[in-house]
Amino acid sequence: DQQVKQNSPSLSVQEGRISILNCDYTNSMFDYFLWYKKYPAEGPTFLISISSIKDKNEDGRFTVFLNKSAKHLSLHIVPSQPGDSAVYFCAASATGGGNKLTFGTGTQLKVEL
Amino acid sequence: EAGVAQSPRYKIIEKRQSVAFWCNPISGHATLYWYQQILGQGPKLLIQFQNNGVVDDSQLPKDRFSAERLKGVDSTLKIQPAKLEDSAVYLCASSQLASGELFFGEGSRLTVL
Repeated sequence: DQQVKQNSPSLSVQEGRISILNCDYTNSMFDYFLWYKKYPAEGPTFLISISSIKDKNEDGRFTVFLNKSAKHLSLHIVPSQPGDSAVYFCAASATGGGNKLTFGTGTQLKVEL
Repeated sequence: EAGVAQSPRYKIIEKRQSVAFWCNPISGHATLYWYQQILGQGPKLLIQFQNNGVVDDSQLPKDRFSAERLKGVDSTLKIQPAKLEDSAVYLCASSQLASGELFFGEGSRLTVL
C-alpha cells in the first residue's frame, strides 16, 4: 500500500525554467509534509516542509503548495539550476507518529543547460 | 555540527552470511531511525528508537534483522542470514524530539550475491 505517491519517475527541464514536482497521498492522517533532495552516493537532505494548516510555504527558489482536499502537494523550483539535478523525495508524517516519515518513490530531476 | 555518521559505506557479502551496520546520530538527537532504500524505491522505515527504547519496529523482518541502541546514542543494525532481496542502501537518520525534520547519514550500501 503506497501511501505517498510520486507518479513521475523523471523530469527534464531547461536551466532558468520552472520545475514542478508532484506528490499525492492517501492517508488523511498525514499533517506534515517534507521534500528531500538526494544526490548519488549521499543521504537525503531536507529541502522544505509544510504543515497542513498552510497551503503554501516558500524558501528562496523553492515553494511547496498543499491542496488538502485533493491530497496533493507540489514543489516548484524557480528558476531551475543545473545543481538542482537530483532525486526529489516527497515525505509525510502524522501527529503522534513520532516524526516517522513515509516516503514516495522519488522523481529524478535533470536540469539541462 | 557533525552530521549522522554511518559505516561501512559499502559491503558485499554472499547470501546466508551476516552483516552489521553502525550509526552515530547527531549529538543531542533523541530519536534514531533505520531506513531501507531498495533501488528505484523510496526509503522504508525499518525501526525507530527514542533514546534506547524501540518506538516502532513493525516493518522490521525480525527473523533476520535486529537492531539495538545501547546507552541511547550509537546504534547497530544486523542482518543474519542475508538474502538476495536485502541488497539495498541502509540509511540511518536522527531527529530532535520536537522537530519534523530528519537528518540522514550517507548510507551503507549492501550487495548480497
